[in-house]
Amino acid sequence: AQSVTQPDIHITVSEGASLELRCNYSYGATPYLFWYVQSPGQGLQLLLKYFSGDTLVQGIKGFEAEFKRSQSSFNLRKPSVHWSDAAEYFCAVGPRFGNEKLTFGTGTRLTIIP
Amino acid sequence: DVKVTQSSRYLVKRTGEKVFLECVQDMDHENMFWYRQDPGLGLRLIYFSYDVKMKEKGDIPEGYSVSREKKERFSLILESASTNQTSMYLCATKDPPGQGDYEQYFGPGTRLTVT
Repeated sequence: AQSVTQPDIHITVSEGASLELRCNYSYGATPYLFWYVQSPGQGLQLLLKYFSGDTLVQGIKGFEAEFKRSQSSFNLRKPSVHWSDAAEYFCAVGPRFGNEKLTFGTGTRLTIIP
Repeated sequence: DVKVTQSSRYLVKRTGEKVFLECVQDMDHENMFWYRQDPGLGLRLIYFSYDVKMKEKGDIPEGYSVSREKKERFSLILESASTNQTSMYLCATKDPPGQGDYEQYFGPGTRLTVT
């Protein structure tokens, strides 16, 4: 069965520092890959997605993610975080064919300190 | 822009009550989903629907049912609410396979408390 692991439950970084959130997946084939962000009290918003092609994908709000097939990873990065990036981040995988079920990781909560 | 609305942001119900959570989308998407979100567990799929009157169980359907009588509306029903169903419930929609951008669009969520 497919699974998504986000090993960091909570990360704290200083404003202006770089950020990397980890995501590893277990899947029978190369899936579609997503990162979503959830601000407090809000629904989920798509940051970026990977379907095929260039393994470094750019998203909204200055985020990027790199797909590494050999490591089954899809880590999210940002070179310089802003206080408004404080939120919970979810990695998700979905099938290229068949039903539309997405499998989500357990999330990483990001705290920004001044 | 896709708009997904959920009938309530906060809801408090008593144990044993029948609870209806409503989700409405305005983008003519065929696929709709209900998730529950709990700390440390992420999002777990309860049910999804790929057409009117069509539904499939997700990972945790026990204690829930759904209804989709119109394309734009997908309802989650708790037949007899229990305290372990206290959670955040999120609705999502998307285009069917091979169409659109494959993104799931989420509503703002309903935080349900069962006392």
